[in-house]
Amino acid sequence: TQLLEQSPQFLSIQEGENLTVYCNSSSVFSSLQWYRQEPGEGPVLLVTVVTGGEVKKLKRLTFQFGDARKDSSLHITAAQTGDTGLYLCAGVKGGGADGLTFGKGTHLIIQP
Amino acid sequence: KAGVTQTPRYLIKTRGQQVTLSCSPISGHRSVSWYQQTPGQGLQFLFEYFSETQRNKGNFPGRFSGRQFSNSRSEMNVSTLELGDSALYLCASSLGWGFGTEAFFGQGTRLTVV
Repeated sequence: TQLLEQSPQFLSIQEGENLTVYCNSSSVFSSLQWYRQEPGEGPVLLVTVVTGGEVKKLKRLTFQFGDARKDSSLHITAAQTGDTGLYLCAGVKGGGADGLTFGKGTHLIIQP
Repeated sequence: KAGVTQTPRYLIKTRGQQVTLSCSPISGHRSVSWYQQTPGQGLQFLFEYFSETQRNKGNFPGRFSGRQFSNSRSEMNVSTLELGDSALYLCASSLGWGFGTEAFFGQGTRLTVV
């Protein structure tokens, strides 16, 4: 059983459209991170959210941490072809002694 | 500043062989973690080293081992390779122990077992 479930697994949309991807769990996390990974590269950290209900904005990307700290979402406004990639959420439980727990990711393709 | 460096980038090995992968963290970072990434399982935590000591270990068999040197560089070893060990192995470095701090990943080593 995957501790962090990401949906959708695959998403292909046109440039300019908006989209939301989700990261859900039955477990509580002390913090949650979102990464973006391009082919042949390692994941790059986009944001860390630590407070239930927290919303963080990074240009066209909006990240939200659920009130109960069990889920998170990433919303992209006016998607661009450069947003294409694998989006991974990763949770930290407790003090972080168990490392990061990753979801399987959402493969996002933005078509021109 | 230089990022996380993993060597080699690509490896092809035969079943039953062993392999050693290397990771040089960002200067000043003392924590190094290793992950295995496969299409089916995604990213799975292998182990974390801090100040030359293994602090955490994921759910992998004993064939997977690692170590960290006094300069924080880390190596990961897989013995008696199996076909299922084919994966992208990623190393991440961070300032402290545990993931309350930001983690920086290397480009990974693509291991193919034939």
